[in-house]
Amino acid sequence: QQQVKQSPQSLIVQKGGIPIINCAYENTAFDYFPWYQQFPGKGPALLIAIRPDVSEKKEGRFTISFNKSAKQFSLHIMDSQPGDSATYFCAASLMEYGNKLVFGAGTILRVKS
Amino acid sequence: DVKVTQSSRYLVKRTGEKVFLECVQDMDHENMFWYRQDPGLGLRLIYFSYDVKMKEKGDIPEGYSVSREKKERFSLILESASTNQTSMYLCASSFNDLNTEAFFGQGTRLTVV
Repeated sequence: QQQVKQSPQSLIVQKGGIPIINCAYENTAFDYFPWYQQFPGKGPALLIAIRPDVSEKKEGRFTISFNKSAKQFSLHIMDSQPGDSATYFCAASLMEYGNKLVFGAGTILRVKS
Repeated sequence: DVKVTQSSRYLVKRTGEKVFLECVQDMDHENMFWYRQDPGLGLRLIYFSYDVKMKEKGDIPEGYSVSREKKERFSLILESASTNQTSMYLCASSFNDLNTEAFFGQGTRLTVV
């Protein structure tokens, strides 16, 4: 199974809140789990990524939590800002398959000021 | 800065036309990808290429073909455009290494009328 399931579809939080976006995958062979951020009119850009041998990774206000046994990973945005309003995609890939990214459906985040 | 450049931001084509979408990358990446982005469906892989003249089908290749004659250029071809191919098309490229980042172009919004 190559699917990655992402939730919620959309999310509205107040400035300073902590939005959480969740993803689940089926293929236990996936070896790379990136999150991409996309602003209107732009292509997606890598935000943060994690390998399955690590349970958490933090970069600035963005944190990935990874639960290998549950086959789930999530993105937390600390102290969210209006500038974080964007569409967020989780993804998974496998180097054996040419690093093809399998994407979740996306979450539209709006941070209200 | 890595650059993935797509030849057009917006295209309007008629049903039955043959359509060419061009993508050029300047980072000497081995891998190149074409994705289609639709609301609620995320990014779905159409075709990818891991070397010059090499190509593999993605998840939704029907109605599309690709060409990679040079390492830096990857073209997506709609043999006979149909209205259900109206979408945002995104090109990406990456190295063929473990946990490597994929870089995206800005996208081409194609409307088939």
